[in-house]
Amino acid sequence: DTGVSQDPRHKITKRGQNVTFRCDPISEHNRLYWYRQTLGQGPEFLTYFQNEAQLEKSRLLSDRFSAERPKGSFSTLEIQRTEQGDSAMYLCASSFSSSGNYEQYFGPGTRLTVT
Amino acid sequence: GEDVEQSLFLSVREGDSSVINCTYTDSSSTYLYWYKQEPGAGLQLLTYIFSNMDMKQDQRLTVLLNKKDKHLSLRIADTQTGDSAIYFCAESKAGNKLTFGGGTRVLVKP
Repeated sequence: DTGVSQDPRHKITKRGQNVTFRCDPISEHNRLYWYRQTLGQGPEFLTYFQNEAQLEKSRLLSDRFSAERPKGSFSTLEIQRTEQGDSAMYLCASSFSSSGNYEQYFGPGTRLTVT
Repeated sequence: GEDVEQSLFLSVREGDSSVINCTYTDSSSTYLYWYKQEPGAGLQLLTYIFSNMDMKQDQRLTVLLNKKDKHLSLRIADTQTGDSAIYFCAESKAGNKLTFGGGTRVLVKP
């Protein structure tokens, strides 16, 4: 495994449905981040984990969004009762936090379309 | 609050140098990054600089940081058509969440 992987790569869903995305970080990376990117914008931070602990969650994040990282390895991001405004690219990144090393590596993203 | 600003577009001829500029507002930012994004793809980390440095060079890439003016630039020497992409500037404190600018679309003309 040479990078961050995300599944699925594309998801089309109807408004009101729930969706779940998965992210597998680079092996031994203890930090995992979720970002959202809408068309023509830079990525926006959603939440991040160090091991299994969720350390920060964006104040902009609706209660319909929840993320987990139960064993400190892969993570899931669930969106309940999707809305058209949730259509975006959902990006996952991972890093190994240590003194002097703060490189975040991104996966290819999951593109969500809500119809 | 945190804010990162970039110009929207840059056009450059193949073989010339490109300079992409970025300004940020948070004086407590400790790390500043440049990422590259090609169409439909994730973000590729190009380079990053600590706030106590004023320059970093890595092959064709040179990053300049003016901490007083909170200005960051990325210079790409000998720009190639494969450098056409969107470039994002980002800042963080001690490797926590990244705050991104809106991106600069670079178009390299043959």
